[in-house]
Amino acid sequence: NAGVTQTPKFRVLKTGQSMTLLCAQDMNHEYMYWYRQDPGMGLRLIHYSVGEGTTAKGEVPDGYNVSRLKKQNFLLGLESAAPSQTSVYFCASSYTGFGYGYTFGSGTRLTVV
Amino acid sequence: GEDVEQSLFLSVREGDSSVINCTYTDSSSTYLYWYKQEPGAGLQLLTYIFSNMDMKQDQRLTVLLNKKDKHLSLRIADTQTGDSAIYFCAESRVTGGGNKLTFGTGTQLKVEL
Repeated sequence: NAGVTQTPKFRVLKTGQSMTLLCAQDMNHEYMYWYRQDPGMGLRLIHYSVGEGTTAKGEVPDGYNVSRLKKQNFLLGLESAAPSQTSVYFCASSYTGFGYGYTFGSGTRLTVV
Repeated sequence: GEDVEQSLFLSVREGDSSVINCTYTDSSSTYLYWYKQEPGAGLQLLTYIFSNMDMKQDQRLTVLLNKKDKHLSLRIADTQTGDSAIYFCAESRVTGGGNKLTFGTGTQLKVEL
């Protein structure tokens, strides 16, 4: 099994450009999450989904949108990129209920210039 | 507050024990986790402990939980250079969004020869 796959791995955007980050999991997990990782700040939750067709805001949702049209995919969109969105983005998925850790993708390093 | 706090850096000599500490604030946390992040990679689940346990041992890893003080620690025995990484603690909270984890800021462990 591939687990959680993120594409692309690296991207450089100009301010104001848009892009979509794709996360795909093949473990039939219900829950999926998007985090951003910044130095000294750990991981902060952007948006998450508790099932196909559902999305919810996390801790830092502004400037991002998400969609979960298929259970295995969770897309993160930046409509108008800003330098403050320069970060490493991680997708994760998990089973429902508690006691299960997350399975993480390998990350997307995004630079906005 | 709902922060999960960790010290940012820890340096140890190869063969010594490492102890990474974490404090959390939500007394309703059900599970607490330790993740490892190697350079350029996503987070990997190392171990976890249920909130009604005081200790869990898994090979070279020992997790201690002091629920009264909301303190979690990870001890790595006989630390090796391959243990150099960032270690994140995380707590699982009861929310309408199900199994949502809140991560600490991460502790960079450096193992010196």
